Amino acid sequence: AQKVTQAQTEISVVEKEDVTLDCVYETRDTTYYLFWYKQPPSGELVFLIRRNSFDEQNEISGRYSWNFQKSTSSFNFTITASQVVDSAVYFCALSEDYSGGSNYKLTFGKGTLLTVNP
Amino acid sequence: GAVVSQHPSWVICKSGTSVKIECRSLDFQATTMFWYRQFPKQSLMLMATSNEGSKATYEQGVEKDKFLINHASLTLSTLTVTSAHPEDSSFYICSARETGMNTEAFFGQGTRLTVV
Repeated sequence: AQKVTQAQTEISVVEKEDVTLDCVYETRDTTYYLFWYKQPPSGELVFLIRRNSFDEQNEISGRYSWNFQKSTSSFNFTITASQVVDSAVYFCALSEDYSGGSNYKLTFGKGTLLTVNP
Repeated sequence: GAVVSQHPSWVICKSGTSVKIECRSLDFQATTMFWYRQFPKQSLMLMATSNEGSKATYEQGVEKDKFLINHASLTLSTLTVTSAHPEDSSFYICSARETGMNTEAFFGQGTRLTVV
């Protein structure tokens, strides 16, 4: 069975601070995908990143960066110089269907509510 | 990116009535779509996997007679909440993945259902 744990329920920071959202996952498979999604107050899920289990390279996209470490089963997400618009719930998710078949189900963590105050 | 449209965005219905929610992939074909449910301040829980032209696969604990899923075409899946009750009030969100493409699934904007 697969499981995603986001231990931080809520985080509050002041604008321009850096913030890291933690994600720890469990899976029996050696091949899998990891994701981060952003859910603003409007409710829709915004895709941020997908990472396959073979690629442990860290990734940076503007103010966002991700640190994938298989040794600790973690896929942490850092926002640099946070902005008020970053305020949202962030979900980490796991899919064990690396092949991309029809069984492409996502298991979500419970989410972290990030509030960035001006 | 690919667009998934969900309709309606919100709906209020009376107890005992049925409500249909549509999920459309606007610019791609999706053999498989997924329906999730999200309670306030909770995570998304997969309810069922919708397969075009065949029966949906429901997750354990989800009543298939209560939540009817129809995936009649490669661009449309519908979720019907039958005989709705206040405990069915929730945020329902669908996702779709382009057929044959090894890409991420895209999510609709969600439907907030309130049963009164």
